[in-house]
Amino acid sequence: GAVVSQHPSWVICKSGTSVKIECRSLDFQATTMFWYRQFPKQSLMLMATSNEGSKATYEQGVEKDKFLINHASLTLSTLTVTSAHPEDSSFYICSAGLAAIHSGGDEQYFGPGTRLTVT
Amino acid sequence: KQEVTQIPAALSVPEGENLVLNCSFTDSAIYNLQWFRQDPGKGLTSLLLIQSSQREQTSGRLNASLDKSSGRSTLYIAASQPGDSATYLCAVPSGGYNKLIFGAGTRLAVHP
Repeated sequence: GAVVSQHPSWVICKSGTSVKIECRSLDFQATTMFWYRQFPKQSLMLMATSNEGSKATYEQGVEKDKFLINHASLTLSTLTVTSAHPEDSSFYICSAGLAAIHSGGDEQYFGPGTRLTVT
Repeated sequence: KQEVTQIPAALSVPEGENLVLNCSFTDSAIYNLQWFRQDPGKGLTSLLLIQSSQREQTSGRLNASLDKSSGRSTLYIAASQPGDSATYLCAVPSGGYNKLIFGAGTRLAVHP
């Protein structure tokens, strides 16, 4: 149980185009989903937190107009990288959980990641 | 602001050795701490989650301990195997919605 999928697993796009990445919780409903970015040999950095039916909360330094997040249902969140540039090339990982504010104790379940390469 | 540090950054050992990976965090007011494994180019696999009320958790050859007061956790790997080669990350929830703050990881290489 607690499986999270991401699609696509890898994508190559040209500079200036937009790319959409999907994150799905397959066997549970996730009230909250998280999007992380990981550069080579670095750790995961949280980009934004999304809750179903409301606007995402972005971390400091993350451009909300560039990284559009839509959490349309309790099982699906999408990240769209708009007008992608080579510096956006990274490994993007989502996670899903049943976390609520101050609930504590809940595990997050991670997707397999999406490798984005912008040429 | 919560900060998570992992030591060592990299470790190379022969097969069969017992290992200790260290994780420290600056804000001891945590709900839990998780250890993850990440293979190259892959996502994260949750290994162990320790609740703030617990002192340790065990799964097979893995044992994780938590000392909240000192802001430290250790991951003990017994009888290491080449298949244990991966990056090990620890993470703690911070702020609302339990967003996770990750350490930089320990890259482990176990050679035959």
